[in-house]
Amino acid sequence: AQSVTQLDSQVPVFEEAPVELRCNYSSSVSVYLFWYVQYPNQGLQLLLKYLSGSTLVKGINGFEAEFNKSQTSFHLRKPSVHISDTAEYFCAVSDEGRRALTFGSGTRLQVQP
Amino acid sequence: NAGVTQTPKFRVLKTGQSMTLLCAQDMNHEYMYWYRQDPGMGLRLIHYSVGEGTTAKGEVPDGYNVSRLKKQNFLLGLESAAPSQTSVYFCASSYSTGTGGYRNQPQHFGDGTRLSIL
Repeated sequence: AQSVTQLDSQVPVFEEAPVELRCNYSSSVSVYLFWYVQYPNQGLQLLLKYLSGSTLVKGINGFEAEFNKSQTSFHLRKPSVHISDTAEYFCAVSDEGRRALTFGSGTRLQVQP
Repeated sequence: NAGVTQTPKFRVLKTGQSMTLLCAQDMNHEYMYWYRQDPGMGLRLIHYSVGEGTTAKGEVPDGYNVSRLKKQNFLLGLESAAPSQTSVYFCASSYSTGTGGYRNQPQHFGDGTRLSIL
């Protein structure tokens, strides 16, 4: 069975500072990995996805993530955050045999002025 | 450009009442999903559908039923609501490339239905 662990439930950070949101997964087979963002009172939007190829994936709004197979991690990074990045971020995995995503518990990013 | 539309957006029920949540997508997606979101637990899959007329159970199916009579609609029913079903419910849909090519397709989400069971 697969699982996704987001190590931080909340991450406070000051505006223009860098941020890293951590995600680890467990799966016995090849995986596809996703990061979604949820703004207040909205549904989830896709930030980026890793399917294959380059382990560094760039997404929308200046976010990027690095797939590390040996450490089974897919951490999300942004070099300089804005107030508008305040939201909840979900890491998700889709592997062979499952016709849906398994989500982590989410990380709430709070950007302070 | 509607995408995925959920109705209603909010609802308060009494224990034992029944209701149906409607999800409609206009992207001609094959796959549709119902999730529930609870604090600190992320999203958990209730039921999903891989095409018109087919449904399957997810992680937390008990107390819910679904139907997919039309490709664009996916209904979630609560037969006898319980306080434990208080949650935010999200519908999602995704494209499939046919030969199992659904895993690499992003899911498109609605804005959610906030359901309170008293």
